[in-house]
Amino acid sequence: NAGVTQTPKFRVLKTGQSMTLLCAQDMNHEYMYWYRQDPGMGLRLIHYSVGEGTTAKGEVPDGYNVSRLKKQNFLLGLESAAPSQTSVYFCASRPLVTHEQFFGPGTRLTVL
Amino acid sequence: KQEVTQIPAALSVPEGENLVLNCSFTDSAIYNLQWFRQDPGKGLTSLLLIQSSQREQTSGRLNASLDKSSGRSTLYIAASQPGDSATYLCAVLDDKLIFGTGTRLQVFP
Repeated sequence: NAGVTQTPKFRVLKTGQSMTLLCAQDMNHEYMYWYRQDPGMGLRLIHYSVGEGTTAKGEVPDGYNVSRLKKQNFLLGLESAAPSQTSVYFCASRPLVTHEQFFGPGTRLTVL
Repeated sequence: KQEVTQIPAALSVPEGENLVLNCSFTDSAIYNLQWFRQDPGKGLTSLLLIQSSQREQTSGRLNASLDKSSGRSTLYIAASQPGDSATYLCAVLDDKLIFGTGTRLQVFP
């Protein structure tokens, strides 16, 4: 039982490049979330999903897209990376009944 | 708009001390409150979750209380150890999970 895993752990991009971050969970959770964490800002919700095939915007969705084609995977895409997207990205999941969220180890992204 | 504040931002204590971390929130209409621990360069580990109908939760040396009417929660750590050094985050759930900016705790031997 690996819990929530994220790929990759680190990435450096140049402005304008694109990439996809992968989140996978093996707990059969319905809900999945993408957050970014910036110094002094706390964690902020980017997008979330309440089930396979559904996604919704969070607090800071601009510049990001997501997809939930399989229940266990939640992908975060950056189509044209900007330096303002330099951050640590966390994925989380939770089951339908309880509200306790379980977090992945994070992806540290630097956009030059 | 829900806002979550944690005071102090940083705390340094000698080993063995009992300590209290504070969390306040502006809107009392929450479903629950969750305390997390984050080690440097790592993800978040859930410590305690208090449902809105509960007053406190305990796990080992940790005790978290919730006073919805005053918009406050405290995390009490008994007999602190160097291994407790980390950043502690609280988060409240209304329609989304809203995080505070954390308290960075250092426990020195």
